[in-house]
Amino acid sequence: DTGVSQNPRHKITKRGQNVTFRCDPISEHNRLYWYRQTLGQGPEFLTYFQNEAQLEKSRLLSDRFSAERPKGSFSTLEIQRTEQGDSAMYLCASSLVGQGRYNEQFFGPGTRLTVL
Amino acid sequence: GQQVMQIPQYQHVQEGEDFTTYCNSSTTLSNIQWYKQRPGGHPVFLIQLVKSGEVKKQKRLTFQFGEAKKNSSLHITATQTTDVGTYFCETNAGGTSYGKLTFGQGTILTVHP
Repeated sequence: DTGVSQNPRHKITKRGQNVTFRCDPISEHNRLYWYRQTLGQGPEFLTYFQNEAQLEKSRLLSDRFSAERPKGSFSTLEIQRTEQGDSAMYLCASSLVGQGRYNEQFFGPGTRLTVL
Repeated sequence: GQQVMQIPQYQHVQEGEDFTTYCNSSTTLSNIQWYKQRPGGHPVFLIQLVKSGEVKKQKRLTFQFGEAKKNSSLHITATQTTDVGTYFCETNAGGTSYGKLTFGQGTILTVHP
């Protein structure tokens, strides 16, 4: 257990439905990442936050995806109008950067999304 | 953005044999990180390499960063069944996308007892 939690752990939904995932990072961490991982592939960067500011978003991320980190603590990732191609493991990671610290990421257990 | 190629994709070894995975980039990297992901688990940070030619060891694991900072390797001596998993290298995109992190495709290691 890295201290990063994600909920739910599994989500099965029908195509066209909206889903929302939550990530609770390690409390003192200022950076939070979202990744998507499919079988046999490495984690694919989606977006990241420095405190509450969303600093970068992958060009692969369509307008159906949105993420928030309203108070610089927990974050949510919403997928609207889900498609079967959205089926994947969604990973959240947090880290403490600045003051010479390296960006060592601590990953949560992930949310496995299945779109029927 | 920064791309890293990782080889091999798969490696099957007998317990006790050595294992090496390589991560290559066409451009100079500011740093490189290595992660291990057990089957059904999430990536776990192993090490960071920053300096040209850097070598770091963790018990049976040896990590190297090339002199030109364009490649890196992870070597495991005398593999054990507990080494099973996927090993990923990761780096940042650089430039204005410093926070965007890119993972290699990973090397899946299986160890036969």
